Amino acid sequence: AQKVTQAQTEISVVEKEDVTLDCVYETRDTTYYLFWYKQPPSGELVFLIRRNSFDEQNEISGRYSWNFQKSTSSFNFTITASQVVDSAVYFCALRGYGNNRLAFGKGNQVVVIP
Amino acid sequence: GAGVSQSPRYKVAKRGQDVALRCDPISGHVSLFWYQQALGQGPEFLTYFQNEAQLDKSGLPSDRFFAERPEGSVSTLKIQRTQQEDSAVYLCASSLVVTTDTQYFGPGTRLTVL
Repeated sequence: AQKVTQAQTEISVVEKEDVTLDCVYETRDTTYYLFWYKQPPSGELVFLIRRNSFDEQNEISGRYSWNFQKSTSSFNFTITASQVVDSAVYFCALRGYGNNRLAFGKGNQVVVIP
Repeated sequence: GAGVSQSPRYKVAKRGQDVALRCDPISGHVSLFWYQQALGQGPEFLTYFQNEAQLDKSGLPSDRFFAERPEGSVSTLKIQRTQQEDSAVYLCASSLVVTTDTQYFGPGTRLTVL
C-alpha cells in the first residue's frame, strides 16, 4: 500500500515570505518515485519535480527547493520569497516501481497575500 | 508541443444521464491514465491504458464507469446513469512509457450531476 500525507490544508503567507510544505509518505517498495505537482485555479496539474528513491540529493530550481530525507520518509517543498502567482494547491505524489498509478496527498492550499 | 487536452471542460448532467469525457494525450505517449478528483481532495486513480490495452481498471468505482482507447491515442471515459456522487473533476494524464516516466496532466473535465 502506498500513502502520502500532507498535514497542512491551507497556508497563508504574505508576499516575499518563505513557505514550506511537508510531505510524508509510506511505501513497501524499495524503489519508488516522488513528485510534486501544482494545481492553479485553472485546474490543470502542473508537474514540478520528480525524485527517485535512490537519489537523495536535494534540488533547487529558481525559488523552489526540495528536501528529500529517506530516513524520515519525507519530501518537503519550499518556496522562497513567495509571489502571488504561487497561489495554488500543491500535491505530493508517490509511485512505486512497476506500479502504474500515482498516490496523491490531499494537497496544500497556498494563499500568497500581496 | 501540445499538452494533454480534455473536452468538454465543464459538463452538467441530470441524474440518470450518460456522459462521455474525451482525452487527447501528448502525441507519442504510450500510456494514458484517468483520475477522479473530488472537491478538496487529491486525485484518485481510475484506470490505465498502454496503447489500446486497458491494463488496470481496478480504480473504477462501479460498472457504470467504462473507458476505452480503441486506436491507442484518444481515450473516452463514459459514465452511465450518472449519480450525484459522480460529481468531480476527471483528470487525464499521459506518459511516454509507464514504469519510469512522469505523468503529464490535462486541464480536467468538471462534471456536475444535478
